[in-house]
Amino acid sequence: DAGVTQSPTHLIKTRGQQVTLRCSPKSGHDTVSWYQQALGQGPQFIFQYYEEEERQRGNFPDRFSGHQFPNYSSELNVNALLLGDSALYLCASSYGQGVRVYDSPLHFGNGTRLTVT
Amino acid sequence: QKEVEQNSGPLSVPEGAIASLNCTYSDRGSQSFFWYRQYSGKSPELIMSIYSNGDKEDGRFTAQLNKASQYVSLLIRDSQPSDSATYLCAVNMRGDSNYQLIWGAGTKLIIKP
Repeated sequence: DAGVTQSPTHLIKTRGQQVTLRCSPKSGHDTVSWYQQALGQGPQFIFQYYEEEERQRGNFPDRFSGHQFPNYSSELNVNALLLGDSALYLCASSYGQGVRVYDSPLHFGNGTRLTVT
Repeated sequence: QKEVEQNSGPLSVPEGAIASLNCTYSDRGSQSFFWYRQYSGKSPELIMSIYSNGDKEDGRFTAQLNKASQYVSLLIRDSQPSDSATYLCAVNMRGDSNYQLIWGAGTKLIIKP
């Protein structure tokens, strides 16, 4: 049973560039959430996708955008990269999106380590 | 302001002892609470979930929830060096139109052999 897979594992970009990160959810899951985790901090919620639509969004600027495909996989796009965007980006999947979606525990991928120079 | 507070540590515990990790949260209406373990450089993995007041046990792990005090804890009995990790507390809190999982910054636990 494949878990959550993310690609790439590491990425180095220059300020001002754009980046796309990819995620395939755990088999049977239909909801994908993206998080940013800076060193020594807890995960910060970016947004959540369900039925190919953004359902919730955290306090992140519009430079952060995403997409969910019919097969439930998802992409996170970050435009005009800043040094402060350097972090571990985590994708988490779960089943079902409702009033209490997070009652369904999140399963995380191994993350993408983004370094912006 | 939705907040989840944890002592950042590090919390140092001798091997075989009980490790006690604590978490407080701001939203009295919260219903779902989770403990995740994160090894250095790795992604978080679910350890325990708890929804009702009281204790919930799973092997060496016990989660304790007190909604009146807005407090949730994780006890690890017979601590092992492999338990050394950062433990993240996450709480499902009401947003404008839905619920959002709010995370603490984590407590670093070190088990000394």
